[in-house]
Amino acid sequence: DVKVTQSSRYLVKRTGEKVFLECVQDMDHENMFWYRQDPGLGLRLIYFSYDVKMKEKGDIPEGYSVSREKKERFSLILESASTSQTSMYLCASSLFIQGYGYTFGSGTRLTVV
Amino acid sequence: GQQVMQIPQYQHVQEGEDFTTYCNSSTTLSNIQWYKQRPGGHPVFLIQLVKSGEVKKQKRLTFQFGEAKKNSSLHITATQTTDVGTYFCAGFLVGGNQFYFGTGTSLTVIP
Repeated sequence: DVKVTQSSRYLVKRTGEKVFLECVQDMDHENMFWYRQDPGLGLRLIYFSYDVKMKEKGDIPEGYSVSREKKERFSLILESASTSQTSMYLCASSLFIQGYGYTFGSGTRLTVV
Repeated sequence: GQQVMQIPQYQHVQEGEDFTTYCNSSTTLSNIQWYKQRPGGHPVFLIQLVKSGEVKKQKRLTFQFGEAKKNSSLHITATQTTDVGTYFCAGFLVGGNQFYFGTGTSLTVIP
């Protein structure tokens, strides 16, 4: 089974801090994704990556950046955390951008105080 | 704005009743996927539909893709308590580069 592992289940950070969320997948998938999930809004794509060092903006990239130095690892960076970024963050990976199911990690619930 | 709309947002049913959630897009979709998220869990891929008018079944779950490829539905027959969770559709717009998730339908099954 494909496994997508997110480094933290719960995280509390202060406003203005730089925050790193890490995600690792073990199935050699080309594509990795970062979503945030908020009640009533569903899942919204922040960034995705289709290859090492390649990235594409999703619907809500403002305030975030990403890094993919190795195929198995995709990091989400909050440059200066704000309370509006309090959310559940979900990482996913897939063999293809479309035509293949996405495998999600367990999520990181980030609270910015 | 929301590219893919999903209704209803919440549904409470008695165990044994049927359940349906609907997904709609104003733009033609190249394909649509469905996911289930248990309470406290993460979305898990259920199925993908690609062809116009396609119908697929998984035990008590029936998935349909509309003829115009702009809508889809998930129907559960005779719900069980194990069906509890939030069901999401995710549509890939023709010419697009990402899946757009619906807002989800939260299903509660009353024993």
